[in-house]
Amino acid sequence: DVKVTQSSRYLVKRTGEKVFLECVQDMDHENMFWYRQDPGLGLRLIYFSYDVKMKEKGDIPEGYSVSREKKERFSLILESASTNQTSMYLCASSWGRGFSNQPQHFGDGTRLSIL
Amino acid sequence: AQSVTQLGSHVSVSEGALVLLRCNYSSSVPPYLFWYVQYPNQGLQLLLKYTSAATLVKGINDFEAEFKKSETSFHLTKPSAHMSDAAEYFCAVSDKYSSASKIIFGSGTRLSIRP
Repeated sequence: DVKVTQSSRYLVKRTGEKVFLECVQDMDHENMFWYRQDPGLGLRLIYFSYDVKMKEKGDIPEGYSVSREKKERFSLILESASTNQTSMYLCASSWGRGFSNQPQHFGDGTRLSIL
Repeated sequence: AQSVTQLGSHVSVSEGALVLLRCNYSSSVPPYLFWYVQYPNQGLQLLLKYTSAATLVKGINDFEAEFKKSETSFHLTKPSAHMSDAAEYFCAVSDKYSSASKIIFGSGTRLSIRP
């Protein structure tokens, strides 16, 4: 089974802090994704990556950046955390680019609170 | 642009009753379609997927979904609800002709099971 591991289940930070959310997958997937999940809004794509050192903006990239230095690891960075970034963050991975019939595999999520 | 609409943000059924969760998609060509389930405090798990083979797709835990091109629908059903089915369910769509490998998620339907 694919295993996607997010480093923290719960995280509490203060406004203005730089926050790092880490995600690791163990199936040699090329694609990795970061979403945020808010009640009534479903999942919204923040950033995704097709390969090491590659990144593309999703639907709501403002206030976020990402890093992919190794194939198995994809980090989400909140440059200066704000209260409106309080949310559940989900990481996912899938097979290579162009394999649209392949599902994404998700981690258990990080519930981030910004005070 | 592709989109997916889930009718009903909350559905409540009695234990043993039929479960029907509705999903309609908008796409210029029949897409790939997925249903995911999210249990409390967990990530999303794949229930089933439609990738242009049989229009009736069977998934885990006795769930199934039928692709109806004429109705642009992919409704999820289960003949007899169990208490353990209480969760949030997401319908999702992927463009088969896109190299982007992105999945668009619906806003989710919370399923409650009455004893």
